[in-house]
Amino acid sequence: AQSVTQLGSHVSVSEGALVLLRCNYSSSVPPYLFWYVQYPNQGLQLLLKYTTGATLVKGINGFEAEFKKSETSFHLTKPSAHMSDAAEYFCALFTGNQFYFGTGTSLTVIP
Amino acid sequence: NAGVTQTPKFRVLKTGQSMTLLCAQDMNHEYMYWYRQDPGMGLRLIHYSVGEGTTAKGEVPDGYNVSRLKKQNFLLGLESAAPSQTSVYFCASSYRGRPFYTGELFFGEGSRLTVL
Repeated sequence: AQSVTQLGSHVSVSEGALVLLRCNYSSSVPPYLFWYVQYPNQGLQLLLKYTTGATLVKGINGFEAEFKKSETSFHLTKPSAHMSDAAEYFCALFTGNQFYFGTGTSLTVIP
Repeated sequence: NAGVTQTPKFRVLKTGQSMTLLCAQDMNHEYMYWYRQDPGMGLRLIHYSVGEGTTAKGEVPDGYNVSRLKKQNFLLGLESAAPSQTSVYFCASSYRGRPFYTGELFFGEGSRLTVL
């Protein structure tokens, strides 16, 4: 069965600190993986995606994620958190038929 | 670029009333989706469409119907609204590559529905 698990529904970091949001997936076929961000009262916007090729992918706003097949993970990182990064983040899996979303991680940035 | 547009953005219904949410995309995408978002549950797929005139059930289809009469529009209907359908509804679209890959999802801004 296909699934996405995001560890930690709430994450708090200090401004300037490392951001690490965890995502693990289960897929019976080679996965395409995505991270989306949702600001309050808005739709979801694509941060970055992995389809094939380089396993370290860079996205917008300084975020990046690394696809690790052996660990079935696709964790999202940013070296230095900014106040504007406060939002809800969703990891998603596409397996050729439909998308599967994690339950989301709410990121709080403490000044 | 309008992208994906949802109407209405807010609606309050009484139990048993019916309504339709409209999604329109101007990117010529083949695939369209309706999701609902509830606290702590992420996004759950209600129905989707892989092309004009076709629809399919997602994870939580009960109580909803959809139609895709035109490629750019995807309608979500509630025939008899229930309080359990209080949620934020998102429409999304994606293109279809070859042979199977679809591009990432493009989302509308959401429609907040309250059923009393």
